[in-house]
Amino acid sequence: SQQGEEDPQALSIQEGENATMNCSYKTSINNLQWYRQNSGRGLVHLILIRSNEREKHSGRLRVTLDTSKKSSSLLITASRAADTASYFCATGDTGRRALTFGSGTRLQVQP
Amino acid sequence: EAQVTQNPRYLITVTGKKLTVTCSQNMNHEYMSWYRQDPGLGLRQIYYSMNVEVTDKGDVPEGYKVSRKEKRNFPLILESPSPNQTSLYFCASSLGISNEQFFGPGTRLTVL
Repeated sequence: SQQGEEDPQALSIQEGENATMNCSYKTSINNLQWYRQNSGRGLVHLILIRSNEREKHSGRLRVTLDTSKKSSSLLITASRAADTASYFCATGDTGRRALTFGSGTRLQVQP
Repeated sequence: EAQVTQNPRYLITVTGKKLTVTCSQNMNHEYMSWYRQDPGLGLRQIYYSMNVEVTDKGDVPEGYKVSRKEKRNFPLILESPSPNQTSLYFCASSLGISNEQFFGPGTRLTVL
């Protein structure tokens, strides 16, 4: 079953705009991670937020976590064409020794 | 350079012909994992390993085997591949389950 579900499934914006992706999950988590994947390539870790954290920043990335709503958002500010990729959230479940990935958001940044 | 390597990167095979996809990491990570990625389904975990000689099933283990005889290697074995195992496979490693995972470049497998 899909623990993390990203929304929207696809997003197209212009360079310079902000991109926001959301992730919802179902069970209690230890942490939530965001990954990026360029077409057909391996995933690259972007940021990890622990269950006791509410917000985290890394460069142009801002992640929020609302454990009461079981949701997270990834904001990419001032997007660039090079940000075009698929973005996945992954949850570390308190009951499992595994990460569960959602089906991803495909982001297209038009130059 | 810290990395996860997979071989082969591309493989076309026929139903029933046993194959092994190798995975190796040079970061002394304890946790290793195999995923398959299919359109619209995201990444699904096949098997994972917490340490040497410790492996466990993920969400979609049927038709696959793994072994962890050494810390750095975690091969994925398909004893009798079938067309529904046509997919993009990723190996990943990390210090622990709660840590950042490092992914290999992927193996695109086609079973005819």
